Amino acid sequence: GEDVEQSLFLSVREGDSSVINCTYTDSSSTYLYWYKQEPGAGLQLLTYIFSNMDMKQDQRLTVLLNKKDKHLSLRIADTQTGDSAIYFCAEIPNSGNTPLVFGKGTRLSVIA
Amino acid sequence: NAGVTQTPKFQVLKTGQSMTLQCAQDMNHNSMYWYRQDPGMGLRLIYYSASEGTTDKGEVPNGYNVSRLNKREFSLRLESAAPSQTSVYFCASSPGETQYFGPGTRLLVL
Repeated sequence: GEDVEQSLFLSVREGDSSVINCTYTDSSSTYLYWYKQEPGAGLQLLTYIFSNMDMKQDQRLTVLLNKKDKHLSLRIADTQTGDSAIYFCAEIPNSGNTPLVFGKGTRLSVIA
Repeated sequence: NAGVTQTPKFQVLKTGQSMTLQCAQDMNHNSMYWYRQDPGMGLRLIYYSASEGTTDKGEVPNGYNVSRLNKREFSLRLESAAPSQTSVYFCASSPGETQYFGPGTRLLVL
């Protein structure tokens, strides 16, 4: 079945770049997403990439997609303390009855 | 435009009690979803509704029922709450693929 894997924790110093990685299993996924969850809040859509793209940049965020390796990454440039949150990778699989499949989330801690 | 709203924000139940979690969206989205979030488990889909009048089971539907009352509202009911249903519940809506989430309901079952 579909599965989305992420490392659980990442710690970076303020001002450094953060790279959060994700692997997925469904090679026919059409969209891949990154959501951000701040403490005590719901999930906020951060960015997404269509499967025919390799890269998408939006201000401090860069999404890289390697379809051959089924690998998705989110790079946050100049990481700030306000970036501390849990980041979820999600895919829309082409099979099954689950509209979105989420990874377990990567908790990013930014050290001042 | 409030987006996706959920009530209540917090709830404490005793084992065996029933309750309904409410969700509403004002974005005219066709699809709505209910997830639960547990530590170390990520988000798991309970039920979803692809359009008004239809509902489908997700990954963890046991112990829950849903109602798609109209296009705006999608409620989740626990008929006989169990401690294993202690969780944070999120509702989401979608016009197509991208989902937009509510702020969540924190439920504690004693």
